Amino acid sequence: EAQVTQNPRYLITVTGKKLTVTCSQNMNHEYMSWYRQDPGLGLRQIYYSMNVEVTDKGDVPEGYKVSRKEKRNFPLILESPSPNQTSLYFCASSPYTGVVAKNIQYFGAGTRLSVL
Amino acid sequence: QKEVEQNSGPLSVPEGAIASLNCTYSDRGSQSFFWYRQYSGKSPELIMFIYSNGDKEDGRFTAQLNKASQYVSLLIRDSQPSDSATYLCAASYSGGGADGLTFGKGTHLIIQP
Repeated sequence: EAQVTQNPRYLITVTGKKLTVTCSQNMNHEYMSWYRQDPGLGLRQIYYSMNVEVTDKGDVPEGYKVSRKEKRNFPLILESPSPNQTSLYFCASSPYTGVVAKNIQYFGAGTRLSVL
Repeated sequence: QKEVEQNSGPLSVPEGAIASLNCTYSDRGSQSFFWYRQYSGKSPELIMFIYSNGDKEDGRFTAQLNKASQYVSLLIRDSQPSDSATYLCAASYSGGGADGLTFGKGTHLIIQP
């Protein structure tokens, strides 16, 4: 089954404790992206990747890191989480890299993160 | 500042009627527009996208774009209770800084049986 898989689905952690949210897609997609969704703010892009070893900042990259060592995986790293990073996180991928088409995205089920 | 504005709702529509969802955007450089549907507790899924002025139809859904007015809409004909969800309007842009979609906050649609 074609899918974008995020783990964990739920995570409660404490301020400053490094964590990684994994994202994997089995569709051989080149484009991958991370979003956070907050009430009243909507979905905002954190980082994106056009291909292996090619990553760039989105609208809200502060406090996050990503890597793209393999095509299928795009982990989101919070080196020192803070309470303002409490949010619902979505990973997405697209089979396209064109200006318009890359926005045809398939989303993972989401990771709900709470930082205490 | 790229912004996409939507009425948060809830928008209540009787079953079988036409639901009309509206969206405005601030950046004239936006090139294409996407409608995603998000059921409560679920992830967004793409319904359709449009990049040319006018109408684009896909089944019961019609997207409308008016670039002069910076206005996008989504019409859902013969609304069904299963259409009850939050609808996210998004604008894409390219060049300088972030590269991707700017999402509106979404309109919560309720189809009343």
